[in-house]
Amino acid sequence: EVQLVESGGGLVQPGGSLRLSCAASGITVITNYISWVRQAPGKGLEWVSVIYSGNGIHYADSVKGRFTISRDTSKNTVYLQMNSLRGDDTAVYYCAREWFGESNGIDVWGQGTTVTVSS
Amino acid sequence: EIVLTQSPATLSLSPGERATLSCRASQSVSTKLAWYQQKPGQAPRLLIYDASNRATGFPVRFSGSGSGTDFTLTISSLEPEDFAVYYCQQRSNWPLTFGGGTKVESK
Repeated sequence: EVQLVESGGGLVQPGGSLRLSCAASGITVITNYISWVRQAPGKGLEWVSVIYSGNGIHYADSVKGRFTISRDTSKNTVYLQMNSLRGDDTAVYYCAREWFGESNGIDVWGQGTTVTVSS
Repeated sequence: EIVLTQSPATLSLSPGERATLSCRASQSVSTKLAWYQQKPGQAPRLLIYDASNRATGFPVRFSGSGSGTDFTLTISSLEPEDFAVYYCQQRSNWPLTFGGGTKVESK
């Protein structure tokens, strides 16, 4: 069974940093597109970032320069380092597998981890 | 980045009625568009891929159409379990983007 499990969320002050983790099982992060998608309270989905084979990386304009996505293949884990956090970064952060073959879409979602940016 | 505009924001309908949801892209995405269904407290679930292909587990009352910049999700006859929020996502250009969502609520 393919599973993504997020961790690392919590309460952080504006301007602070946090690192989220996404541990994968049933798939290998190095051969898949692994994304972060967030959802602010009562709001819609916002695509944040992706990492894929060959060190392909992309970011949403809203987080470029503040967030960094990376992976540790030995731990089969993807990370999202979030710096210079702001109130509008408050959200549930989902780790997700982007599939670009048959069933072109996000076909696996984690349960989400909550990030709250507040003083 | 490509902006997706969904309309209406809220659709108030009764079970058995037809729901028509729209997603418009700021530039062509060909047919590289997906739809997701999200229920309260749950992660989204892939519903439609490549604009018109139904994902595993969803019944035939769900259908998608469109190409280029204009897309439609249709639910032919609403069942109680269909009341949810629906999002479109373009998968043509990085960064990938989502629409703002349409909430289908029970009248």
